[in-house]
Amino acid sequence: QSVLTQPPSVSAAPGQKVTISCSGSSSNIGNNYVSWYQQFPGTAPKFLIYDNNKRPSGIPDRFSGSKSGTSATLGITGLQTGDEADYYCGTWDSSLSAYVFGTGTKVTVL
Amino acid sequence: QVQLVQSGSELKRPGASVKVSCKASGYIFNSYPMNWVRQAPGQGLEWMGWISTNTGNPTYAQGFTGRFVFSLDTSVSTAYLQISSLKAEDTAFYYCARERGIQGMGRFDPWGQGTLVTVSS
Repeated sequence: QSVLTQPPSVSAAPGQKVTISCSGSSSNIGNNYVSWYQQFPGTAPKFLIYDNNKRPSGIPDRFSGSKSGTSATLGITGLQTGDEADYYCGTWDSSLSAYVFGTGTKVTVL
Repeated sequence: QVQLVQSGSELKRPGASVKVSCKASGYIFNSYPMNWVRQAPGQGLEWMGWISTNTGNPTYAQGFTGRFVFSLDTSVSTAYLQISSLKAEDTAFYYCARERGIQGMGRFDPWGQGTLVTVSS
């Protein structure tokens, strides 16, 4: 089981906002950068957010990241049907000496 | 453009071995570490470890020691994952992913398209 906990699912209507939480500890989120990945069914994960709140080129500013203490949050504004996917947080865990991913969250657009 | 192309799906018997390839293009291969990630059907992502494309030194995550081997052929910009003594529970998608930053920062970009390894008798 993962050391990073995410809600199994979140949903909202088109145009609305969703937030996805990622809860960890001082050995991971508390002292390391958090990244976020988007995965559509049947495809590879895609790099979405890095260093807690930075977006790679090509990622729309509807996607945002933040971190506070031992938790991180991914926000998606102006929700679109094309945003329906699984989202994973990830960070280094200094105690495990391993990169760890969150449990994953499925975003549904109502 | 920067991309990773993996080998095709594999169907193997229990006890057999498999070797998955990950060919890089569009960048200097030995400038970025290569990571491997497993995803069992319907499950989440699991980091397997990484290999330094500069030194060839592999590092394996807990649970991926012994039967799993990371290797390189820098002459063809390709990383490999070999799994021996396959078990049914090894059935999964295996992804390679380039680390864009310093290893451990988790800037995995791009990812290979994934290779499905199915272990069944």
